[in-house]
Amino acid sequence: AQKVTQAQTEISVVEKEDVTLDCVYETRDTTYYLFWYKQPPSGELVFLIRRNSFDEQNEISGRYSWNFQKSTSSFNFTITASQVVDSAVYFCALIGDTGFQKLVFGTGTRLLVSP
Amino acid sequence: DSGVTQTPKHLITATGQRVTLRCSPRSGDLSVYWYQQSLDQGLQFLIQYYNGEERAKGNILERFSAQQFPDLHSELNLSSLELGDSALYFCASNPSGLDSYGYTFGSGTRLTVV
Repeated sequence: AQKVTQAQTEISVVEKEDVTLDCVYETRDTTYYLFWYKQPPSGELVFLIRRNSFDEQNEISGRYSWNFQKSTSSFNFTITASQVVDSAVYFCALIGDTGFQKLVFGTGTRLLVSP
Repeated sequence: DSGVTQTPKHLITATGQRVTLRCSPRSGDLSVYWYQQSLDQGLQFLIQYYNGEERAKGNILERFSAQQFPDLHSELNLSSLELGDSALYFCASNPSGLDSYGYTFGSGTRLTVV
Protein backbone atom coordinates (compact mmCIF):
# COMPACT_ATOMS: atom_id res chain seq x y z
CA ALA A 1 0.00 0.00 0.00
CA GLN A 2 1.09 3.55 -0.64
CA LYS A 3 1.80 5.79 2.29
CA VAL A 4 2.94 9.37 2.72
CA THR A 5 4.24 10.69 6.01
CA GLN A 6 4.55 14.35 6.85
CA ALA A 7 5.87 14.26 10.37
CA GLN A 8 5.82 18.03 10.88
CA THR A 9 2.32 19.02 11.91
CA GLU A 10 2.99 22.73 12.15
CA ILE A 11 5.97 24.98 11.54
CA SER A 12 6.23 28.63 12.52
CA VAL A 13 8.83 30.94 11.02
CA VAL A 14 9.46 34.62 10.71
CA GLU A 15 9.37 36.26 7.33
CA LYS A 16 12.54 35.86 5.24
CA GLU A 17 13.55 32.66 6.99
CA ASP A 18 14.10 29.54 4.91
CA VAL A 19 11.92 26.57 5.77
CA THR A 20 11.92 22.92 4.71
CA LEU A 21 8.85 20.72 4.76
CA ASP A 22 9.58 17.02 4.98
CA CYS A 23 7.85 14.25 3.08
CA VAL A 24 8.64 10.55 3.36
CA TYR A 25 6.83 8.01 1.24
CA GLU A 26 6.36 4.26 0.98
CA THR A 27 5.57 2.34 -2.16
CA ARG A 28 6.38 -0.99 -3.74
CA ASP A 29 6.00 0.34 -7.25
CA THR A 30 9.05 0.96 -9.38
CA THR A 31 7.33 3.77 -11.20
CA TYR A 32 5.51 6.33 -9.12
CA TYR A 33 4.76 10.03 -9.01
CA LEU A 34 5.08 12.53 -6.22
CA PHE A 35 3.23 15.79 -5.82
CA TRP A 36 3.04 18.81 -3.60
CA TYR A 37 -0.16 20.81 -3.15
CA LYS A 38 -0.77 24.03 -1.23
CA GLN A 39 -3.96 24.75 0.67
CA PRO A 40 -4.13 28.43 1.63
CA PRO A 41 -6.59 29.69 4.27
CA SER A 42 -9.22 30.13 1.57
CA GLY A 43 -9.35 26.34 1.31
CA GLU A 44 -8.64 25.41 -2.28
CA LEU A 45 -5.94 22.88 -3.18
CA VAL A 46 -3.33 24.33 -5.48
CA PHE A 47 -0.96 22.12 -7.46
CA LEU A 48 2.72 22.98 -7.01
CA ILE A 49 4.79 20.21 -8.56
CA ARG A 50 4.74 16.68 -10.00
CA ARG A 51 7.83 14.49 -10.09
CA ASN A 52 8.24 10.96 -11.46
CA SER A 53 10.40 8.33 -9.80
CA PHE A 54 12.97 8.30 -12.58
CA ASP A 55 13.77 11.96 -12.34
CA GLU A 56 15.88 12.65 -9.28
CA GLN A 57 16.99 16.07 -10.38
CA ASN A 58 16.21 18.74 -7.88
CA GLU A 59 13.89 21.43 -9.11
CA ILE A 60 13.78 25.12 -8.39
CA SER A 61 10.93 27.45 -9.16
CA GLY A 62 11.49 30.94 -7.84
CA ARG A 63 11.65 30.71 -4.05
CA TYR A 64 10.48 27.10 -4.10
CA SER A 65 12.77 24.10 -4.45
CA TRP A 66 12.28 20.37 -4.16
CA ASN A 67 14.79 17.71 -3.16
CA PHE A 68 13.91 14.19 -4.28
CA GLN A 69 16.04 11.39 -2.83
CA LYS A 70 15.03 7.85 -3.69
CA SER A 71 17.64 6.41 -1.34
CA THR A 72 15.77 7.83 1.64
CA SER A 73 12.28 7.83 0.03
CA SER A 74 11.97 11.52 0.61
CA PHE A 75 10.65 14.43 -1.39
CA ASN A 76 11.29 17.55 0.64
CA PHE A 77 10.10 21.05 -0.16
CA THR A 78 12.04 24.19 0.72
CA ILE A 79 10.77 27.74 0.67
CA THR A 80 13.55 30.31 0.59
CA ALA A 81 13.01 33.74 2.10
CA SER A 82 9.51 32.89 3.27
CA GLN A 83 6.72 35.43 3.01
CA VAL A 84 3.44 35.85 4.89
CA VAL A 85 1.59 34.73 1.75
CA ASP A 86 3.29 31.35 2.06
CA SER A 87 1.19 30.63 5.14
CA ALA A 88 -0.85 27.58 4.23
CA VAL A 89 -1.13 23.85 4.71
CA TYR A 90 1.14 21.93 2.38
CA PHE A 91 0.37 18.39 1.30
CA CYS A 92 2.67 15.82 -0.19
CA ALA A 93 0.98 13.12 -2.29
CA LEU A 94 1.91 9.91 -4.05
CA ILE A 95 0.51 7.68 -6.76
CA GLY A 96 1.97 4.44 -8.05
CA ASP A 97 1.80 3.11 -11.55
CA THR A 98 0.21 -0.28 -10.95
CA GLY A 99 -3.46 -1.06 -10.72
CA PHE A 100 -6.06 1.63 -10.37
CA GLN A 101 -4.37 3.66 -7.71
CA LYS A 102 -5.57 7.09 -6.70
CA LEU A 103 -3.63 9.99 -5.27
CA VAL A 104 -2.74 9.35 -1.63
CA PHE A 105 -2.07 12.37 0.54
CA GLY A 106 -0.03 12.92 3.64
CA THR A 107 -1.60 14.61 6.63
CA GLY A 108 -0.18 17.99 5.69
CA THR A 109 2.13 20.50 7.34
CA ARG A 110 0.72 23.84 8.44
CA LEU A 111 3.19 26.63 7.79
CA LEU A 112 2.73 29.92 9.63
CA VAL A 113 4.87 32.80 8.46
CA SER A 114 4.72 35.83 10.69
CA PRO A 115 5.86 39.34 9.75
CA ASP B 1 -9.04 29.88 -10.80
CA SER B 2 -8.33 26.19 -11.40
CA GLY B 3 -11.16 25.73 -13.87
CA VAL B 4 -12.91 23.18 -11.66
CA THR B 5 -16.12 24.69 -10.29
CA GLN B 6 -17.84 23.46 -7.18
CA THR B 7 -21.16 24.63 -5.82
CA PRO B 8 -22.25 25.52 -3.26
CA LYS B 9 -19.18 26.77 -1.40
CA HIS B 10 -20.82 26.33 1.98
CA LEU B 11 -23.71 24.20 3.12
CA ILE B 12 -25.25 23.90 6.56
CA THR B 13 -27.83 21.22 7.13
CA ALA B 14 -29.35 19.12 9.88
CA THR B 15 -28.69 15.51 10.75
CA GLY B 16 -30.76 13.07 8.75
CA GLN B 17 -31.02 15.36 5.75
CA ARG B 18 -29.86 14.83 2.19
CA VAL B 19 -27.67 17.19 0.16
CA THR B 20 -26.23 17.33 -3.34
CA LEU B 21 -22.83 18.76 -4.15
CA ARG B 22 -22.11 19.77 -7.71
CA CYS B 23 -18.90 19.84 -9.70
CA SER B 24 -18.04 21.05 -13.18
CA PRO B 25 -14.65 19.77 -14.34
CA ARG B 26 -12.13 21.75 -16.34
CA SER B 27 -13.13 22.12 -19.94
CA GLY B 28 -12.22 18.94 -21.79
CA ASP B 29 -11.47 16.85 -18.70
CA LEU B 30 -13.22 13.51 -18.80
CA SER B 31 -12.41 12.23 -15.34
CA VAL B 32 -13.87 13.50 -12.07
CA TYR B 33 -12.75 12.57 -8.58
CA TRP B 34 -14.35 13.25 -5.23
CA TYR B 35 -12.30 13.59 -2.05
CA GLN B 36 -13.34 14.24 1.54
CA GLN B 37 -11.15 16.27 3.86
CA SER B 38 -11.93 15.89 7.54
CA LEU B 39 -9.91 16.71 10.63
CA ASP B 40 -9.54 13.11 11.74
CA GLN B 41 -9.21 11.33 8.36
CA GLY B 42 -7.34 13.87 6.29
CA LEU B 43 -7.86 13.79 2.52
CA GLN B 44 -9.62 10.60 1.51
CA PHE B 45 -10.53 9.45 -1.98
CA LEU B 46 -14.23 8.72 -2.34
CA ILE B 47 -15.03 7.91 -5.95
CA GLN B 48 -14.01 8.49 -9.57
CA TYR B 49 -16.03 8.81 -12.73
CA TYR B 50 -14.67 8.71 -16.24
CA ASN B 51 -16.78 9.88 -19.16
CA GLY B 52 -20.01 9.06 -17.36
CA GLU B 53 -19.00 5.68 -15.95
CA GLU B 54 -17.90 4.85 -12.43
CA ARG B 55 -14.24 3.88 -12.56
CA ALA B 56 -13.06 3.49 -8.99
CA LYS B 57 -14.40 3.55 -5.46
CA GLY B 58 -12.52 4.46 -2.37
CA ASN B 59 -13.70 4.99 1.19
CA ILE B 60 -17.20 6.02 0.23
CA LEU B 61 -20.05 5.27 2.60
CA GLU B 62 -23.16 3.49 1.35
CA ARG B 63 -25.15 6.61 2.28
CA PHE B 64 -23.16 8.51 -0.33
CA SER B 65 -23.53 8.19 -4.08
CA ALA B 66 -22.36 10.04 -7.13
CA GLN B 67 -22.93 10.30 -10.83
CA GLN B 68 -21.46 11.98 -13.87
CA PHE B 69 -23.77 13.38 -16.49
CA PRO B 70 -23.39 13.52 -20.30
CA ASP B 71 -22.11 17.09 -20.07
CA LEU B 72 -19.42 15.70 -17.71
CA HIS B 73 -20.50 17.57 -14.62
CA SER B 74 -20.77 15.42 -11.53
CA GLU B 75 -22.92 15.37 -8.42
CA LEU B 76 -22.17 13.84 -5.04
CA ASN B 77 -25.25 12.93 -3.05
CA LEU B 78 -24.97 12.57 0.71
CA SER B 79 -27.97 11.20 2.58
CA SER B 80 -28.97 10.45 6.17
CA LEU B 81 -26.36 12.93 7.21
CA GLU B 82 -24.54 12.54 10.50
CA LEU B 83 -22.44 15.01 12.47
CA GLY B 84 -19.34 13.13 11.39
CA ASP B 85 -20.05 13.90 7.74
CA SER B 86 -19.08 17.51 8.34
CA ALA B 87 -16.05 18.05 6.13
CA LEU B 88 -14.65 19.81 3.12
CA TYR B 89 -15.57 17.94 -0.05
CA PHE B 90 -13.33 18.40 -3.04
CA CYS B 91 -13.92 17.64 -6.64
CA ALA B 92 -10.97 17.23 -8.96
CA SER B 93 -10.62 16.56 -12.65
CA ASN B 94 -8.08 15.08 -15.02
CA PRO B 95 -8.08 15.10 -18.81
CA SER B 96 -7.70 11.42 -19.54
CA GLY B 97 -8.20 9.40 -16.39
CA LEU B 98 -4.47 8.70 -16.27
CA ASP B 99 -4.13 9.28 -12.57
CA SER B 100 -0.37 9.66 -12.64
CA TYR B 101 -0.75 13.05 -14.29
CA GLY B 102 -2.31 14.32 -11.11
CA TYR B 103 -5.54 16.14 -10.55
CA THR B 104 -6.76 19.73 -10.66
CA PHE B 105 -8.87 20.48 -7.63
CA GLY B 106 -11.77 22.82 -7.15
CA SER B 107 -12.21 25.12 -4.15
CA GLY B 108 -14.31 22.61 -2.26
CA THR B 109 -17.72 22.60 -0.62
CA ARG B 110 -17.66 22.99 3.12
CA LEU B 111 -20.46 20.91 4.62
CA THR B 112 -21.54 21.47 8.19
CA VAL B 113 -24.04 19.07 9.69
CA VAL B 114 -25.73 20.35 12.86
